[in-house]
Amino acid sequence: EAGVAQSPRYKIIEKRQSVAFWCNPISGHATLYWYQQILGQGPKLLIQFQNNGVVDDSQLPKDRFSAERLKGVDSTLKIQPAKLEDSAVYLCASSPSRSSEKLFFGSGTQLSVL
Amino acid sequence: GESVGLHLPTLSVQEGDNSIINCAYSNSASDYFIWYKQESGKGPQFIIDIRSNMDKRQGQRVTVLLNKTVKHLSLQIAATQPGDSAVYFCAENRWNFNKFYFGSGTKLNVKP
Repeated sequence: EAGVAQSPRYKIIEKRQSVAFWCNPISGHATLYWYQQILGQGPKLLIQFQNNGVVDDSQLPKDRFSAERLKGVDSTLKIQPAKLEDSAVYLCASSPSRSSEKLFFGSGTQLSVL
Repeated sequence: GESVGLHLPTLSVQEGDNSIINCAYSNSASDYFIWYKQESGKGPQFIIDIRSNMDKRQGQRVTVLLNKTVKHLSLQIAATQPGDSAVYFCAENRWNFNKFYFGSGTKLNVKP
């Protein structure tokens, strides 16, 4: 079974630029999550999708971050404009359903904002 | 606010010894806990879980203990191997929300 796929693996941008991350969850997984992991910290939930609808985006900085999950499969996370403090690893995770406890994580996209 | 935290940021053990990683949580409503292992450059990987109606759960070489009285859980790794070197996170979940709150992690170094 293929795991959660994320791209790009690394991204370096200057502040005020825009960046987008892509995630392809495990086939058939209805729930998709984006987490932000700052160096030395645990992952922090940014947004949770159930199929193509948003379940929770309370911790998403909506003035600069946006995410979508068209057709309930792939998802993109965008930052516009980026700030220095956005430097982190962005992890995508999926689970079979909203009530399924186990999250399956991708390897993440490491973002450096200079 | 409520949080999940770890007592020790770094733990060094000798290969073959047992490792114990601790985690404290403050949310009394938490009823489900997971330990994740994160190797360098990879996403967190599920190790073992435990529900609040249990005190102990065992897996292959790993055991999770939950003490609800003091809001504490631990991960025990038997006969630690070099491949166990990673950062370990505890995560709490409140039933019906399926949102996981992660602690800051403990780095486990296994010395050969």
